[in-house]
Amino acid sequence: IAGITQAPTSQILAAGRRMTLRCTQDMRHNAMYWYRQDLGLGLRLIHYSNTAGTTGKGEVPDGYSVSRANTDDFPLTLASAVPSQTSVYFCASSDSSGRANEQFFGPGTRLTVL
Amino acid sequence: GQNIDQPTEMTATEGAIVQINCTYQTSGFNGLFWYQQHAGEAPTFLSYNVLDGLEEKGRFSSFLSRSKGYSYLLLKELQMKDSASYLCAVTDSNYQLIWGAGTKLIIKP
Repeated sequence: IAGITQAPTSQILAAGRRMTLRCTQDMRHNAMYWYRQDLGLGLRLIHYSNTAGTTGKGEVPDGYSVSRANTDDFPLTLASAVPSQTSVYFCASSDSSGRANEQFFGPGTRLTVL
Repeated sequence: GQNIDQPTEMTATEGAIVQINCTYQTSGFNGLFWYQQHAGEAPTFLSYNVLDGLEEKGRFSSFLSRSKGYSYLLLKELQMKDSASYLCAVTDSNYQLIWGAGTKLIIKP
């Protein structure tokens, strides 16, 4: 692995189903982030984690949960998916020792909720 | 509230020069980033400014004026592969990255 990986690449999900989007980084970055990107709205922060064991809410956290059991993994869970959660989801990471919060992005997960 | 403004879309001609502006109002300032995002792909880092002035990197340059809350990204000798969205982002006093909605740049032959 080099950088950040996300899985799955894309998913079609029935409303009401539970879904976990996976994110793994091998750069030993302390901070990780989940964004959603919708046309015309840019990147919106869902949840973040400044270090393993801690998480925080971003701009649009409702309907989503995260955990950070270790440095490398930062899964995002939709407990009961709704159509408004149709979006492209990006995971990112940053190292506090680098440029002020320069973030590195995974390839994204395209999620469709029907 | 915190706000970053940039034009929604711009069109330019191959070989020409284009300037993409970004204005920001944030609680504190710890740097400004420009990212490039091709359609269907992840954003990738282009430039970083923390002090006033111009940073040049090949065909791309980025300018910052902290007193005016203003930055621009200058792209020279435009190529078709420069067709992408360009995202402006500011690190605030809490080291949170605040993102603009992005500028879609269309390059015509």
